Amino acid sequence: NAGVMQNPRHLVRRRGQEARLRCSPMKGHSHVYWYRQLPEEGLKFMVYLQKENIIDESGMPKERFSAEFPKEGPSILRIQQVVRGDSAAYFCASSPRPKDRNTEAFFGQGTRLTVV
Amino acid sequence: GEDVEQSLFLSVREGDSSVINCTYTDSSSTYLYWYKQEPGAGLQLLTYIFSNMDMKQDQRLTVLLNKKDKHLSLRIADTQTGDSAIYFCAEPLDSGYALNFGKGTSLLVTP
Repeated sequence: NAGVMQNPRHLVRRRGQEARLRCSPMKGHSHVYWYRQLPEEGLKFMVYLQKENIIDESGMPKERFSAEFPKEGPSILRIQQVVRGDSAAYFCASSPRPKDRNTEAFFGQGTRLTVV
Repeated sequence: GEDVEQSLFLSVREGDSSVINCTYTDSSSTYLYWYKQEPGAGLQLLTYIFSNMDMKQDQRLTVLLNKKDKHLSLRIADTQTGDSAIYFCAEPLDSGYALNFGKGTSLLVTP
């Protein structure tokens, strides 16, 4: 059973371009969480999705960022018109049920986005 | 929001004990986590402790919780080179499903 797969592992974009980060959850997991780790910061929650639905996007910047988790295929975190401040590591986690004290969320290796 | 605080670096000799400290933010947190991130890998849940416990021991790992001071520590006994990694302390956000992480402590174990 493969773990949470994120790709690409490293992504370089010029200012103004779009970045698309993909996350394939573990088999049987329908709940996906995206986190961002800015340089010298801890991981910060961005968005929680269940198949085809955004449950909580309270941690998402209001502009340029969007996330989806379609019925088929991976979850996508999309950043439009990237700026240097978007450079960070983006982590995805998945769980079979909504994560609580009794349910573990499994993390991917992360995508390191560098905006030049 | 407030930050979970951790020291950034720790270096120990192989065979010694390591103690990684964390100060969390929410005194009502019902459980607290330690995650480990090895080079090039994702975060792996290492252990957790419920807030009604003062201590939890799991083989070489000992977690101590001081709720009054909102202080959490992770002790690794007989530290091995394979323990070299980044260790993250985390507490649940109000939602319960999202976590608030510290910046991580880089542990370097030298022979």
